[in-house]
Amino acid sequence: GDSVTQMEGPVTLSEEAFLTINCTYTATGYPSLFWYVQYPGEGLQLLLKATKADDKGSNKGFEATYRKETTSFHLEKGSVQVSDSAVYFCAPSSGGSYIPTFGRGTSLIVHP
Amino acid sequence: DAGVIQSPRHEVTEMGQEVTLRCKPISGHDYLFWYRQTMMRGLELLIYFNNNVPIDDSGMPEDRFSAKMPNASFSTLKIQPSEPRDSAVYFCASGTGTRGYTFGSGTRLTVV
Repeated sequence: GDSVTQMEGPVTLSEEAFLTINCTYTATGYPSLFWYVQYPGEGLQLLLKATKADDKGSNKGFEATYRKETTSFHLEKGSVQVSDSAVYFCAPSSGGSYIPTFGRGTSLIVHP
Repeated sequence: DAGVIQSPRHEVTEMGQEVTLRCKPISGHDYLFWYRQTMMRGLELLIYFNNNVPIDDSGMPEDRFSAKMPNASFSTLKIQPSEPRDSAVYFCASGTGTRGYTFGSGTRLTVV
């Protein structure tokens, strides 16, 4: 089955710092790739997606590029804010149903 | 669009009691998922439906758990009898597959 590898963290950054959260995956076939974000006390929210190789997904200043050759989908943001503090989940989704596979997520803490 | 609606938000019950969690998916979404989230095990897929039909319930931990989707606008997850180890946050999510999934705010279940 599909699997995803990302560091659990926490990743601790100062406001306005550059963020990278690495994600590598294994999947059957040609998956679509998603990043979800979970703010404290809330459900997961879709952050961005990419459906084919070299596609770049972007939203709210976050970006990730579908790298098929390295099976990676790293999340980046140029300048983080305190409000970005949350848990981030990389989720490859393959098969006809595009069922997402979730790892443990990466906790991000941004200090003022 | 009110999003995915779950009820109740919080449930505290005594061991041995029956618990029913409810979910109203977004209209037009043909996939519905039930997840459980704990610190120990992370996010676990319990069961998912496509067009109201259960497709994969291999994640349901044991026979005490059951889920139904009588129509496109309603689903329930029932635990009978409940045990303390069932304490978790239960999420419902709906979507169409390729566009990703929308999660509800979750039900925090505490079994004492």
